[in-house]
Amino acid sequence: DAGVTQSPTHLIKTRGQQVTLRCSPKSGHDTVSWYQQALGQGPQFIFQYYEEEERQRGNFPDRFSGHQFPNYSSELNVNALLLGDSALYLCASSPTWPAVDKGWELFFGEGSRLTVL
Amino acid sequence: DAKTTQPNSMESNEEEPVHLPCNHSTISGTDYIHWYRQLPSQGPEYVIHGLTSNVNNRMASLAIAEDRKSSTLILHRATLRDAAVYYCILRDVDNTDKLIFGTGTRLQVFP
Repeated sequence: DAGVTQSPTHLIKTRGQQVTLRCSPKSGHDTVSWYQQALGQGPQFIFQYYEEEERQRGNFPDRFSGHQFPNYSSELNVNALLLGDSALYLCASSPTWPAVDKGWELFFGEGSRLTVL
Repeated sequence: DAKTTQPNSMESNEEEPVHLPCNHSTISGTDYIHWYRQLPSQGPEYVIHGLTSNVNNRMASLAIAEDRKSSTLILHRATLRDAAVYYCILRDVDNTDKLIFGTGTRLQVFP
């Protein structure tokens, strides 16, 4: 059973460029969330997708956008890249209706490390 | 957003128990206490969660104070593989996947 897979694992961009990161959720999961993790910090929530719609959003500018496809996979797009966007971008998936008394965990991928020069 | 406070780092020797503390004095009645850990070069992984009662699973135990303003993650016998950053997170029962991570506790385990 494959877990959460993300691509690419590493990429380098220059300021002003645009980037697309991809995520396939764990089998049986239909909800995907994206997180940004700067060096030495904990992950920060960007947004969550369910039924192909953005359901909740963290404190990130509109340059950060996403999409969810009918097969539940998801993309994170970042436009007009800034140096400060350099980070590890993590995708997490969960089932729609987890049982609070059974795990209720998010499954994270290993991330895509973005370097902006 | 509810916040937690953890020590920046802790050390342990292999095969010894480890107690990782977390303060969450502003916890609300609907907040569950979750613990995740992040091994080097990996995404976070779920460890355990609880509401009021102490909890045990194959990875760890979670001891929750009676007033719920603090909790302790217990690793009964630390191994080298347990070296990671441990995050204590409050998660509302409304089932949001928005986890608020702090900077966590970096656990070093020595052979």
